[in-house]
Amino acid sequence: GAGVSQTPSNKVTEKGKYVELRCDPISGHTALYWYRQSLGQGPEFLIYFQGTGAADDSGLPNDRFFAVRPEGSVSTLKIQRTERGDSAVYLCASSLMGGAINEQFFGPGTRLTVL
Amino acid sequence: AQSVTQLGSHVSVSEGALVLLRCNYSSSVPPYLFWYVQYPNQGLQLLLKYTTGATLVKGINGFEAEFKKSETSFHLTKPSAHMSDAAEYFCAVSVRGFGNEKLTFGTGTRLTIIP
Repeated sequence: GAGVSQTPSNKVTEKGKYVELRCDPISGHTALYWYRQSLGQGPEFLIYFQGTGAADDSGLPNDRFFAVRPEGSVSTLKIQRTERGDSAVYLCASSLMGGAINEQFFGPGTRLTVL
Repeated sequence: AQSVTQLGSHVSVSEGALVLLRCNYSSSVPPYLFWYVQYPNQGLQLLLKYTTGATLVKGINGFEAEFKKSETSFHLTKPSAHMSDAAEYFCAVSVRGFGNEKLTFGTGTRLTIIP
């Protein structure tokens, strides 16, 4: 079956611009996660959705970052006024239900480059 | 808060030799522990996980890991390395309880297999 997909695979933007990154989770998965992986680092948690609501957004670095999941399926991560430090690979994961005991399935990521 | 330390950002082993990738964790409550593998241009894939019960956990591709509470360790091993094992490996921790769904990752270990 289809896995987690993310679009675009690569995004190059200029400092100060707005970007949207999309995640299509595995069908039927109620939990969705966003992580950010900087060069040479492990993934860092950003936000977790259970259904349509953000159950934990403690990892969002500042108010330039926002994410939505309006229908409980596709999610969009939005970054305003991008900065060079936002350059990273943004990973999306989904699991059948919430709870760390349930396996998180990861997408291939979106590589964001801010010039 | 929980954290993970992976000793050795790069490990090289000969084909057929033992693979040992080290992971130590910090957690104030009983942890869930995970090993993920990331092949080039692919998403993270779960190798194995420890939740409760038997402390020696077997995963895919011949890998296994042992949870040692006294040493706060969860080292990953494979008796005989294959060329296809070349990848980046991440150890991750989570904790039990409602609202603790996120994974906290280590910085990763890049495994190189020498022919």
